[in-house]
Amino acid sequence: DAGVIQSPRHEVTEMGQEVTLRCKPISGHNSLFWYRQTMMRGLELLIYFNNNVPIDDSGMPEDRFSAKMPNASFSTLKIQPSEPRDSAVYFCASRRSGGTGGTEAFFGQGTRLTVV
Amino acid sequence: AQSVTQPDIHITVSEGASLELRCNYSYGATPYLFWYVQSPGQGLQLLLKYFSGDTLVQGIKGFEAEFKRSQSSFNLRKPSVHWSDAAEYFCAVGAGSARQLTFGSGTQLTVLP
Repeated sequence: DAGVIQSPRHEVTEMGQEVTLRCKPISGHNSLFWYRQTMMRGLELLIYFNNNVPIDDSGMPEDRFSAKMPNASFSTLKIQPSEPRDSAVYFCASRRSGGTGGTEAFFGQGTRLTVV
Repeated sequence: AQSVTQPDIHITVSEGASLELRCNYSYGATPYLFWYVQSPGQGLQLLLKYFSGDTLVQGIKGFEAEFKRSQSSFNLRKPSVHWSDAAEYFCAVGAGSARQLTFGSGTQLTVLP
């Protein structure tokens, strides 16, 4: 298995531009998570999906952030318009929930976003 | 709500020395506990996990951790550190419908030759 795949690995954009981060979870995993990592706030959960349905987006910082999961193999995190304070590393993770306890969460390599 | 505290921001040890990284958690029920490691520019790799049963769990790369309910702790240990262990280590508690993770602030480990 290729693991959780995120793209792009690095993104540099200008303030005010739209940014879309992409994630392909591990096949068979039914829970997907988006985390943000910054020096100031550490690793924060932004939103998570169960079976493609958003369950809790209370961690999404502002209305400028939105996430979708149109099918079991793809999710996006969009920032529109982007601001310099959005600069961070964004991680996607997936796990198999349910059954006899499921698995642990597996993380992608992350997308390093720089907004200038 | 759950929380995780890693009291040591940075630890330095000599290669071959023993290591213990501290983790305390706050959670109202039996926790699912994890240790992840992150090398520079990389994602998070699971070292070990505790769901239930034996409170001493073994992980990859020679790491182990002990769950102590009375102390709300899940400390990570390694008897002999290798230079390649230099990285940042995160303790996490999993809770909720998808066992979503709440992370500690991390401990940066430096290994001296």
